[in-house]
Amino acid sequence: AQTVTQSQPEMSVQEAETVTLSCTYDTSESDYYLFWYKQPPSRQMILVIRQEAYKQQNATENRFSVNFQKAAKSFSLKISDSQLGDAAMYFCAYRSLKAAGNKLTFGGGTRVLVKP
Amino acid sequence: DSGVTQTPKHLITATGQRVTLRCSPRSGDLSVYWYQQSLDQGLQFLIQYYNGEERAKGNILERFSAQQFPDLHSELNLSSLELGDSALYFCASSVGGTGNQPQHFGDGTRLSIL
Repeated sequence: AQTVTQSQPEMSVQEAETVTLSCTYDTSESDYYLFWYKQPPSRQMILVIRQEAYKQQNATENRFSVNFQKAAKSFSLKISDSQLGDAAMYFCAYRSLKAAGNKLTFGGGTRVLVKP
Repeated sequence: DSGVTQTPKHLITATGQRVTLRCSPRSGDLSVYWYQQSLDQGLQFLIQYYNGEERAKGNILERFSAQQFPDLHSELNLSSLELGDSALYFCASSVGGTGNQPQHFGDGTRLSIL
C-alpha cells in the first residue's frame, strides 16, 4: 500500500517570503498522480496543484510550484511571496493509476503560519 | 464554492445512535467519494461510488455504509456510533471514476459524539 509522509508538522514564514513544504511517498508503481491540497481554518479542502508522474516538468500555479523528484519519491511544494491568506494546513496526496477507483492517500499535513 | 454540497454542516448525537450524512456532487460529476478526517487517523478514504455502483473501498467500518442514488447524490450511514467516530466527514466528487480529474471537496459534516 502506498504511504505519504509529511515530516514537517508546522512551518512559519514571513509575509512576502518563500516557504517549502516537504512530502515523500512510498510506491512501487511507475504511473500515478500527486496533489497538494490546502485546508484553511474554514476547513474546506482546496486543490492547490497537481503533478502527473510521467511528466518531467514541474507543475506551477501562480505563486505555487512543486519540485517533483521521481527517483527520490519526493514532491515538495514551494509557496512564493507568501500572503496572509496562505495560512492553512497543507496536505500532500497520492493517487494510483493502477488501483481500482480513484482514491486519494493523504499525508499527515503541514500547518503553515504566515507572520505579517 | 466547490459545487459539492454536504448536509448537515454539524451533527451532535450520542453513542449508540445512527446518523445519515448527505452529499450532492457537482453538476456533471458521476463519482462520489467519502473521507473521514480525525485527529487520530488523519484524512482517510472510506468509499467511492461511480454512477451508482461501488467502485473502491477503503478503511470503512462495518457499522458504516453508503450508497449513491439515481440522481447521483450520496448518503453515508453511520450506526452504533462510538466516541471515536467523532470526526469531520468529507464528500468529494469528480467527473469520472478514474484518471486525472481532480476531486472537488465539500465543506464537510462535523460529527460530534457525546
